[in-house]
Amino acid sequence: GEDVEQSLFLSVREGDSSVINCTYTDSSSTYLYWYKQEPGAGLQLLTYIFSNMDMKQDQRLTVLLNKKDKHLSLRIADTQTGDSAIYFCAESIRTGGSYIPTFGRGTSLIVHP
Amino acid sequence: DAGVTQSPTHLIKTRGQQVTLRCSPKSGHDTVSWYQQALGQGPQFIFQYYEEEERQRGNFPDRFSGHQFPNYSSELNVNALLLGDSALYLCASSWGQGREQFFGPGTRLTVL
Repeated sequence: GEDVEQSLFLSVREGDSSVINCTYTDSSSTYLYWYKQEPGAGLQLLTYIFSNMDMKQDQRLTVLLNKKDKHLSLRIADTQTGDSAIYFCAESIRTGGSYIPTFGRGTSLIVHP
Repeated sequence: DAGVTQSPTHLIKTRGQQVTLRCSPKSGHDTVSWYQQALGQGPQFIFQYYEEEERQRGNFPDRFSGHQFPNYSSELNVNALLLGDSALYLCASSWGQGREQFFGPGTRLTVL
């Protein structure tokens, strides 16, 4: 089965790097996602990585995947107050002809001046 | 290019009533998925519609039903509402197998 775990809170100072961690359980070929949710809003897809990759970089975002430990991380460089939000990790495998993500509980990132 | 839209934004119902939520997918997308997000939790998958049929279903009772129209828009219906149905209901659209899902802003349902 699929189970995604995340720490619930992270507090960083503006300008520092943030690292949000996630562990997943499924060992089959899968996609792993990071979503951002601001208060009162839906989820914004930030980035995703296939399980045969080790790293993906997109501007200030870096995703690292440790397949052996089933550990996924999201690094945000030069964190800004606008990055304050809840970040969800999700994994999905292909079943029944489609990909259905299973989400963690989310990590609340607080950025203070 | 309009993203995923949902209506209404907020809704208040009483126990036992029925509710219908609506979703229009992002242009070019043919698949719609529905999720329930309780306070402090991640989204939980309800079901997915493709080619006007339910393709996959999560662990939700039959009180939750849906429909997809020929223009790919979708409805989520919940019958016999319970207090525990209070949540943010999210719609996500995608193309084909749904590797990338784009979410709408959600409908906040409160059951009193």
